[in-house]
Amino acid sequence: GQQLNQSPQSMFIQEGEDVSMNCTSSSIFNTWLWYKQDPGEGPVLLIALYKAGELTSNGRLTAQFGITRKDSFLNISASIPSDVGIYFCAGDPKKLGGGADGLTFGKGTHLIIQP
Amino acid sequence: DVKVTQSSRYLVKRTGEKVFLECVQDMDHENMFWYRQDPGLGLRLIYFSYDVKMKEKGDIPEGYSVSREKKERFSLILESASTNQTSMYLCASSSGTLVTDTQYFGPGTRLTVL
Repeated sequence: GQQLNQSPQSMFIQEGEDVSMNCTSSSIFNTWLWYKQDPGEGPVLLIALYKAGELTSNGRLTAQFGITRKDSFLNISASIPSDVGIYFCAGDPKKLGGGADGLTFGKGTHLIIQP
Repeated sequence: DVKVTQSSRYLVKRTGEKVFLECVQDMDHENMFWYRQDPGLGLRLIYFSYDVKMKEKGDIPEGYSVSREKKERFSLILESASTNQTSMYLCASSSGTLVTDTQYFGPGTRLTVL
């Protein structure tokens, strides 16, 4: 199946620092999604991107859909303790009317904030 | 808000037992999915369903089956549990009517098979 390369695998940062993570693929996706998973919980959708070049913000989070449709990044500004968790990117290759299918997920970026 | 619930947060079963994991969504979504999540492997799709009584294999269907008798409910069945099925199981649903297939997840069931 399709593969998503997500990096970095983990990040150790100080509170207040900005965070950047990205996903790349060898194939094209028509949607990019970013999820956050807290320990012991299911992933929660943070941002959805539907158009190449699209830049979308959700509070301190900003994500972009790469022009080539093969990559996306997520930035978190001024990190706070509750930002700790695992962040997943996910890609959907389907076009309009393409029917249901599973998303392709990256393996996650584990964000750890040091006091 | 979309709500996806899973019947148990934690389960402990013995090898060879038949295990049922239940998932219910309250948003009239067409599509439902079962994933398992393991350290270093990310989320892997087991089965999905795009309509009542319809099912499709995902990437790792071996050892699992599913049932979707009602639109809101999607069950994952382990016919004979094995220790390598110890994992976090996540259910998701999506509307199926949009351009994209944005999925909403339940809280997960952590299954331990002894």
